[in-house]
Formats: sequence, C-alpha cells, structure tokens
Amino acid sequence: GENVEQHPSTLSVQEGDSAVIKCTYSDSASNYFPWYKQELGKGPQLIIDIRSNVGEKKDQRIAVTLNKTAKHFSLHITETQPEDSAVYFCAASRAGAGSYQLTFGKGTKLSVIP
Amino acid sequence: DGGITQSPKYLFRKEGQNVTLSCEQNLNHDAMYWYRQDPGQGLRLIYYSQIVNDFQKGDIAEGYSVSREKKESFPLTVTSAQKNPTAFYLCASSLSDGGSYEQYFGPGTRLTVT
Repeated sequence: GENVEQHPSTLSVQEGDSAVIKCTYSDSASNYFPWYKQELGKGPQLIIDIRSNVGEKKDQRIAVTLNKTAKHFSLHITETQPEDSAVYFCAASRAGAGSYQLTFGKGTKLSVIP
Repeated sequence: DGGITQSPKYLFRKEGQNVTLSCEQNLNHDAMYWYRQDPGQGLRLIYYSQIVNDFQKGDIAEGYSVSREKKESFPLTVTSAQKNPTAFYLCASSLSDGGSYEQYFGPGTRLTVT
C-alpha cells in the first residue's frame, strides 16, 4: 500500500518568513495530493491540492509543488502570519471513480512567532 | 448551512462497553469515511463507504463496526474488542463522481475509555 513520509515534524518560523513542508510517497500510481490544516481540537480543512498532471499550484500565499519522478511534493507558505500556526498534513491518493482513500503523513506542527 | 456534524464532541466510556459515534452530513455526498487520530500521528482510515448499504475496511478496522443505512449517516461503533480505543475520531465525506476529490471533515469526537 501507499506510504507517505512528512518532514519536519515541527517547524518554527518568524512572522513574515517562509515555511516549507516536504512529503514523499511510495505508490507511483498516486495521482492526487491534498494538504490539510488542522487547528487544535478541530477537524482538518483542505488548504490546497494538486493532481499529478500539474507540477505546481498557487493560491495567494500558499503553493504546492509536485515532482512525480522523485515522488515528492512540498507545501510552501510565504509571508507567514500567526494564524498560520497549526498542524499541517499531506496526503496521497489513487483518485478515480468512486471514493478516494487518502494516506496521510504524520503531520507538521508549524509555529509562527510574532 | 451545509457540513458534517459529529456528536458528541467528548465521550467517556468504561472499558468493556461498546460505544457508537455519530456522523451526519447534508452535503449530498455519496462517500463517507472514518479516521482515527492519535497524538503525533497522521489520520488512519478505519472504514469507508461509497454508497448506501455498502462499506469496506480501511487500514485499522479491527475492533470497529459501521453501518450505512442512509446516505446522510455513517455511524461508527467502537467495540470492546478494540484494544486501544482512546483517540480522536474524525468523520469525512466526499463526492464520488470524479468531479472533486476533496474530503470534508467533521469537527471530531474525542473518545476516552478508562
């Protein structure tokens, strides 16, 4: 089955700096890679996702890059703000007709220091 | 106001008792999922269902059971056979027609068994 490794497990940055979280996956057939943000005591919320036919996707301060050859993808957050502090999870899936089983990384706790 | 509701938010049970966690969605999604989250861990899939009256085991189904009698509802029973039931349980749902792969998560139920 799919295995997703996520690094680092914790990350502290100064407000205004950039943050980068990296994930690797094992199943070359995986074609959908979402990133979720989870605040304390709440359910995860999708912040950005990318499909395997795209190398990069950007949404304001957040971007995701995908390298299918190396089987890794990364989340980039620029101009970090205190409200970006949360746990971030990457995931991978063989998406297709029907439901899409996600395999999650273990998460990165991001702390943005004011 | 569409979304996923899980109740209760906190649940306490004695060892040896079965307990059922509720999950309801009004997003008209066909697929629903149950995940377990432990501290410092990613989300692990327990069960998922693509359509009413059908469900499949995920990676850690032992000690759990589900039913899917209605499209809107996917309750999870944690049985006394589950060795370490204390955890944060998350329900999610998604479309299954290929238009969107996003999984929407509920707020979670924190189960404590003593």
